[in-house]
Amino acid sequence: AQTVTQSQPEMSVQEAETVTLSCTYDTSESNYYLFWYKQPPSRQMILVIRQEAYKQQNATENRFSVNFQKAAKSFSLKISDSQLGDTAMYFCAFRNAGNMLTFGGGTRLMVKP
Amino acid sequence: GAVVSQHPSWVICKSGTSVKIECRSLDFQATTMFWYRQFPKQSLMLMATSNEGSKATYEQGVEKDKFLINHASLTLSTLTVTSAHPEDSSFYICSALGWSGPSGANVLTFGAGSRLTVL
Repeated sequence: AQTVTQSQPEMSVQEAETVTLSCTYDTSESNYYLFWYKQPPSRQMILVIRQEAYKQQNATENRFSVNFQKAAKSFSLKISDSQLGDTAMYFCAFRNAGNMLTFGGGTRLMVKP
Repeated sequence: GAVVSQHPSWVICKSGTSVKIECRSLDFQATTMFWYRQFPKQSLMLMATSNEGSKATYEQGVEKDKFLINHASLTLSTLTVTSAHPEDSSFYICSALGWSGPSGANVLTFGAGSRLTVL
């Protein structure tokens, strides 16, 4: 079984600043995917970024990037130039070869003007 | 892109009644659909996995007779909360896994969720 841990229940950042959300996971599988999802107040789950475990290069999507440390089983999300619209719950998720998603407990991010 | 429609978005019902929630993949065929439950300020908890044409696989602790899941076609899965009680009040989210787009990418897309309030 997989476990995903997000150690920061809440975080805040000033608009235009950079913030990093932490995520660690535990698995015995070698083939898997990692994701960060955003859940705004509307509660719609929105995919922010994904990382294939076999890729060494860290994924990047505009202002969002990850620091994937496979040996340490760490998968942090960096948000640059934070915007008010980034305020949301962020969930780290692990997807195994059977396509099952396991979510972390979430981090509530507040971007302050 | 891949779109999943979930309906209704909010339902209020009396205790003892049954409620059906639909999850439809609009522009792709979903070989597998997942149902999650989310309590306020908590994470998503997987309830069950359903594959088209076969019985759903329920996670430990989820009552099969309480939460009936049907996946009769490649575009539709339903979750029926039977004899609902106030403790069943929650936010239910579906996600669909399938092949979408000209490149045939394997996508996992979430519905917008359904808020169930049982009085």
